[in-house]
Amino acid sequence: GAGVSQSPSNKVTEKGKDVELRCDPISGHTALYWYRQSLGQGLEFLIYFQGNSAPDKSGLPSDRFSAERTGGSVSTLTIQRTQQEDSAVYLCASSLAPGQGDHGYTFGSGTRLTVV
Amino acid sequence: EDKVVQSPLSLVVHEGDTVTLNCSYEVTNFRSLLWYKQEKKAPTFLFMLTSSGIEKKSGRLSSILDKKELFSILNITATQTGDSAVYLCAVMMDSSYKLIFGSGTRLLVRP
Repeated sequence: GAGVSQSPSNKVTEKGKDVELRCDPISGHTALYWYRQSLGQGLEFLIYFQGNSAPDKSGLPSDRFSAERTGGSVSTLTIQRTQQEDSAVYLCASSLAPGQGDHGYTFGSGTRLTVV
Repeated sequence: EDKVVQSPLSLVVHEGDTVTLNCSYEVTNFRSLLWYKQEKKAPTFLFMLTSSGIEKKSGRLSSILDKKELFSILNITATQTGDSAVYLCAVMMDSSYKLIFGSGTRLLVRP
């Protein structure tokens, strides 16, 4: 696609439910990143994929968070047993290869998750 | 611990003013420093800086990196209301290429 596409754009869920957030990167981009932005805060790194493998998942806050990437393309971030502190905007970004290009990487518009 | 610190946290100016946003960093494996503008959700790229002392310009915006003193500045001249946004500074790590972000500077330009 022309840009990084994320779905849904907004998600309201009840505490304790599981949610899946989807990221469709720019075609041909091998590197994919997930970030989280809580209200009024900067972006917090969650996980990085190179192809289908995740060399760096150091930012996942707990074992309730997991992510996968299939076919070197679409990625899904899953949050199990959601808590209110999980409420944030989840941003996905992709790049041609790690760090390549003159602009780091391209961000999607994010998914705003609200846990009630 | 790797960290990126931006100042000021927020800034209110009038149209036509010039602003300077600051970003300092302490990281173990520096590759480059990036500036993004965030108006709603998706940050949009402004600059990537890798070498010290070389100014990058785009219209009314410019930025420079000092790798000895570990900081960067973003200048905006003749500000317009459309410049109102959160400006994010991030450092790209050499190992995993992940970005470590500062908490941003919220700029409001009043007519």
